[in-house]
Amino acid sequence: QKEVEQNSGPLSVPEGAIASLNCTYSDRGSQSFFWYRQYSGKSPELIMSIYSNGDKEDGRFTAQLNKASQYVSLLIRDSQPSDSATYLCAVKGSSNTGKLIFGQGTTLQVKP
Amino acid sequence: KAGVTQTPRYLIKTRGQQVTLSCSPISGHRSVSWYQQTPGQGLQFLFEYFSETQRNKGNFPGRFSGRQFSNSRSEMNVSTLELGDSALYLCASSPWTGGGETQYFGPGTRLLVL
Repeated sequence: QKEVEQNSGPLSVPEGAIASLNCTYSDRGSQSFFWYRQYSGKSPELIMSIYSNGDKEDGRFTAQLNKASQYVSLLIRDSQPSDSATYLCAVKGSSNTGKLIFGQGTTLQVKP
Repeated sequence: KAGVTQTPRYLIKTRGQQVTLSCSPISGHRSVSWYQQTPGQGLQFLFEYFSETQRNKGNFPGRFSGRQFSNSRSEMNVSTLELGDSALYLCASSPWTGGGETQYFGPGTRLLVL
């Protein structure tokens, strides 16, 4: 079992729809969770961080964390073609280091 | 604030050569981590430095090494390059290690080994 798992997609949604991206992790002691967006040929850029169970909203983005189910998700409301990218889920484990463990990423395609 | 900078941005080497990549973190950030990104393996952790000390190392052979200087700038070195070392090498900085601090990535160095 991979430490951080994401559906590779592609996930295709029409413009204006809600895109739902999911991620599961294996280390129950993980404390910090991040969503990065990566455009083709570019480096990852941070979208959201979440540390506590529940929802965290930032503009059109909502991150959801359920530590009991070891599940974190990202919702993108009113999806735009510019949201088309690969979304990477990253988990910082329970050890006292900065090491991030990444999922393989989900490719999102927003069709006009 | 200026972001994370990495040099060079692109590099072409041949098998057997060695390469040194450089990373300058965001001003005030003391922790630098390195990652390798390939299409097959995704983003994989190489190592992490804090206050000139290696805090953690990923599952890579000893050909991969790094260091951090007193100004928090970091370098990584790959010796005896192999074709499989072709990848995007990403550096990320954060204020300090051990907490939930966000890591901010630089633009990366794209290495091609021929």
